[in-house]
Amino acid sequence: QKEVEQDPGPLSVPEGAIVSLNCTYSNSAFQYFMWYRQYSRKGPELLMYTYSSGNKEDGRFTAQVDKSSKYISLFIRDSQPSDSATYLCAMTGNTPLVFGKGTRLSVIA
Amino acid sequence: EAGVAQSPRYKIIEKRQSVAFWCNPISGHATLYWYQQILGQGPKLLIQFQNNGVVDDSQLPKDRFSAERLKGVDSTLKIQPAKLEDSAVYLCASSLDLAGGYTFGSGTRLTVV
Repeated sequence: QKEVEQDPGPLSVPEGAIVSLNCTYSNSAFQYFMWYRQYSRKGPELLMYTYSSGNKEDGRFTAQVDKSSKYISLFIRDSQPSDSATYLCAMTGNTPLVFGKGTRLSVIA
Repeated sequence: EAGVAQSPRYKIIEKRQSVAFWCNPISGHATLYWYQQILGQGPKLLIQFQNNGVVDDSQLPKDRFSAERLKGVDSTLKIQPAKLEDSAVYLCASSLDLAGGYTFGSGTRLTVV
């Protein structure tokens, strides 16, 4: 079993839709959970950073962590064509970040 | 704040040749990482430096890959000899400390033919 599992998609949604992206993990030591966005031919950029369980909101983005289920989610409200990218979940327990495979998202105008 | 600089952006080499990548992290960032990202996969850690010392190189294929961080600032990653399966994007990232969020460079896209 991989440490971090993420459905690679691709996911295609119409503009304005609510997008839900998810990851599961197996390592109970993970405490810090992140979502990175990666545009084509660019490096990943940090989108959301959450410590332990709970919700965090930043504009149209909401990150949720459920440590009891080892499940994290990223919600994007009112999705825009500019949100089209690959979204990578990443997590750590004070070791180097472990990444999921990434989910490729396309938002169609 | 200047970002993480990497060069070259692209490199095409034949198998069994050698290649080197260069990374200049954000000024003041003590921790530097090299990740390998194969097409369709998430980044996989190759090596982590804290200042100029290696913290974790457990996933670095040491028979062909080597890395150094000169004076705790710039870093180079070398592959010798290259194999077809080394075709990937090599990402450099830096952070203020071991627990900080990472800033990634744009990566070097390596194609081995």
